[in-house]
Amino acid sequence: DQQVKQNSPSLSVQEGRISILNCDYTNSMFDYFLWYKKYPAEGPTFLISISSIKDKNEDGRFTVFLNKSAKHLSLHIVPSQPGDSAVYFCAASPRTLYNQGGKLIFGQGTELSVKP
Amino acid sequence: SQTIHQWPATLVQPVGSPLSLECTVEGTSNPNLYWYRQAAGRGLQLLFYSVGIGQISSEVPQNLSASRPQDRQFILSSKKLLLSDSGFYLCAWRTGTWGSTEAFFGQGTRLTVV
Repeated sequence: DQQVKQNSPSLSVQEGRISILNCDYTNSMFDYFLWYKKYPAEGPTFLISISSIKDKNEDGRFTVFLNKSAKHLSLHIVPSQPGDSAVYFCAASPRTLYNQGGKLIFGQGTELSVKP
Repeated sequence: SQTIHQWPATLVQPVGSPLSLECTVEGTSNPNLYWYRQAAGRGLQLLFYSVGIGQISSEVPQNLSASRPQDRQFILSSKKLLLSDSGFYLCAWRTGTWGSTEAFFGQGTRLTVV
């Protein structure tokens, strides 16, 4: 039972255009959602997060949108740069780190390729 | 500053041999600790988490076990490796209260069981 899903395994975008990565979740207990970027043979690095009480959070070129009723979130990267090429994971977290150890449940990842 | 150390970086082990992967965290106290595995071409699967010394929660039944003998030390073990244990193993930590706080990951261990 996959609680967090990223249905697009890959995405190719032209440099300067917008990249949109999508994520769906099923468990209503999740209160925070995080996006991570990962290169091969390295650990993931944190990008941006959003609380379930918000519908948008912005940090520079990265914006995360949350549609709680649809249990859907998306990461927008504008403008996309070749250095953004990596695998992007969305993750869901309970409200606090006291709830089930604050475990992060990850999606399968989307490999983003930004072409020059 | 906080750092996380994970070793070894790569490991090739025969089927049936034991396994011990170690992870240590510096610069923080009483972290929540996690072991994840990434199988080839797949997502990050949570294997174990720990909220304190000696406290281990297992997420999936498997051939692996975890231990936390010290506050900032997390060990992943197996008595007899299977081919299906191959993968990229990641240790992570989180502190704070709210779920918005990020988890920090180590550089990972590439385990190949032959």
